[in-house]
Amino acid sequence: RKEVEQDPGPFNVPEGATVAFNCTYSNSASQSFFWYRQDCRKEPKLLMSVYSSGNEDGRFTAQLNRASQYISLLIRDSKLSDSATYLCVVRVRATNAGKSTFGDGTTLTVKP
Amino acid sequence: DVKVTQSSRYLVKRTGEKVFLECVQDMDHENMFWYRQDPGLGLRLIYFSYDVKMKEKGDIPEGYSVSREKKERFSLILESASTNQTSMYLCASSLPGNSPLHFGNGTRLTVT
Repeated sequence: RKEVEQDPGPFNVPEGATVAFNCTYSNSASQSFFWYRQDCRKEPKLLMSVYSSGNEDGRFTAQLNRASQYISLLIRDSKLSDSATYLCVVRVRATNAGKSTFGDGTTLTVKP
Repeated sequence: DVKVTQSSRYLVKRTGEKVFLECVQDMDHENMFWYRQDPGLGLRLIYFSYDVKMKEKGDIPEGYSVSREKKERFSLILESASTNQTSMYLCASSLPGNSPLHFGNGTRLTVT
């Protein structure tokens, strides 16, 4: 079983739709959580950190459920420009540097 | 804004060559990382460093070595390039603890 699992999709949604991605993790020692966005043939870029109380940034809402060991990302009012792969990242502070484990990503395509 | 710069976007090398991939960050980050990303396998950690001259193996260190002589620079070395090292290589840096990673724009390496 992978340490971090995401539904690979693809998710194909119309503009304006609300879409949600889930990500589960297996290491209960995980301490920090992030969502990244990756466009085709580009590097991953930080979308948002995920805090225990949940957090929102514009149309994006991230939530953490430590008891069930999953995080989620909700995108409201989808735009064409939201089309990308979304990577869930879980970090365990095993050493000074910590270790980040990436999910394989969920692909979103927003259509006109 | 954090800037992580990788020396080459595209690189073509022959089997058996020694290959150097360079990464420089300008935010005085203690931690630096090298990942490779392959279709269907996601991002996999090769090596990381949490201080000058310090290095730790990631999940797939075989066939690679690293060098961190200065805080801002982290080099990945392929001692004898092989075709199975054809991949997208991503460098990242972060502050200590559970801070997010910031990625360079990647080096697409082809070994023929």
